[in-house]
Parts: sequence; structure tokens; C-alpha cells
Amino acid sequence: DAGVIQSPRHEVTEMGQEVTLRCKPISGHDYLFWYRQTMMRGLELLIYFNNNVPIDDSGMPEDRFSAKMPNASFSTLKIQPSEPRDSAVYFCASSLVDTGANVLTFGAGSRLTVL
Amino acid sequence: GQNIDQPTEMTATEGAIVQINCTYQTSGFNGLFWYQQHAGEAPTFLSYNVLDGLEEKGRFSSFLSRSKGYSYLLLKELQMKDSASYLCASMDSNYQLIWGAGTKLIIKP
Repeated sequence: DAGVIQSPRHEVTEMGQEVTLRCKPISGHDYLFWYRQTMMRGLELLIYFNNNVPIDDSGMPEDRFSAKMPNASFSTLKIQPSEPRDSAVYFCASSLVDTGANVLTFGAGSRLTVL
Repeated sequence: GQNIDQPTEMTATEGAIVQINCTYQTSGFNGLFWYQQHAGEAPTFLSYNVLDGLEEKGRFSSFLSRSKGYSYLLLKELQMKDSASYLCASMDSNYQLIWGAGTKLIIKP
């Protein structure tokens, strides 16, 4: 398996622009997570899905952020409009809870810079 | 409540042994994870403990005491490539992870 695939790897955009981050989870995994990581705040859970259904979006900062998972092999995280404080590395991770452990496999991340 | 504590930074010498501690308070505790994250890269899974005791995996070992809410990651025969951040995370009864802020480990020659 190619692992969790994220795109783009790097994005530089201007304040006010729309940003869409994409994720392809590992085939067969039933959980998908979106995280944000910054030096100041560490790793923050934004939202997670189970079998394509959003379960907990309490970590989504505000209405400017939205996430979708239209099918088991694809998810998007959208920021509209973007602001400089959204600059961070966004990780997608997937997992399969089959043995009682939720071992997350992370994608390489999307580094977002909002000017 | 939910809380994870680990040291912010540690320094050790190549070839030596280092122990990174983690304390947690997690409702419905269901296991403890350690992840390694090199600078500019994604976290990668190292270990998972759900029962008390020591789990050994090559140069890395992880220990858990559920009664004390305590875990440690032990790294032996340190190599320069072990310089990274080490993230402790506890799992709750809903299989969700609560992450620590990470311990940055600096290895000196």
C-alpha cells in the first residue's frame, strides 16, 4: 500500500483565498482524521470520520473550515477564506480499529502558508 | 479530565540510554501510544501499551503503569538518527487519542 497520500505538499496563498487540502486514506481503513500542527499548539485534532461519516468536528476552529468525505478513498479539508493564522502543517491520518488499538498512519502533511 | 504531560526537551549522548517520561489523566483509558516525529516529517508509530509492564522492540522499549497513569519510552544505544520529537498519546474508551506536546530529543556526539 502507498500509505496515506496528501496533496498538495506545500501551498502558499494570500489571505482571503480558498484552500483545499486532499487526502487518500489507506484502503480498508475505517477512520480518517484531520490534524493541524504548529510549534505553539502542537498536534490538534480538527475532525474525524468513521466509515465516511463525520463523528466529531469540535476541533474545527470556526466556520471558515469545512471537511468532507464523499467516499471511503477521499477526503478534503477546505478553508475559506484563509487567514495568516491558519498557517500550519495539516496532517491526514487513517486507521483501522480491529484489535482494540487505534494505530494511526499519517500522511506526509500539507504545509500551508497564508500571507 | 484529559491531560498528558511530557518534558519539552531532552539531551543525550550518542551510544547512551535515555528515558522519556509521560504522565496522563484520561477518562476511560484504553492504551498508551508512542510516536516518533523527525523534523519536517509526519509522526510514525513506535509502540502501543495497554497492559502494565515493559514492551521491548529492538533498541526501543515502552513501559506502562495504569495505576500510576505513567509511561516511559526507553531508547538504548542512541544513534544520531534518533534525534526527533517523541509524542505520547493516550487512547480513551472511544478509541480516540489525546496527544502530548511532544519531547524534543537532541543527540550529541
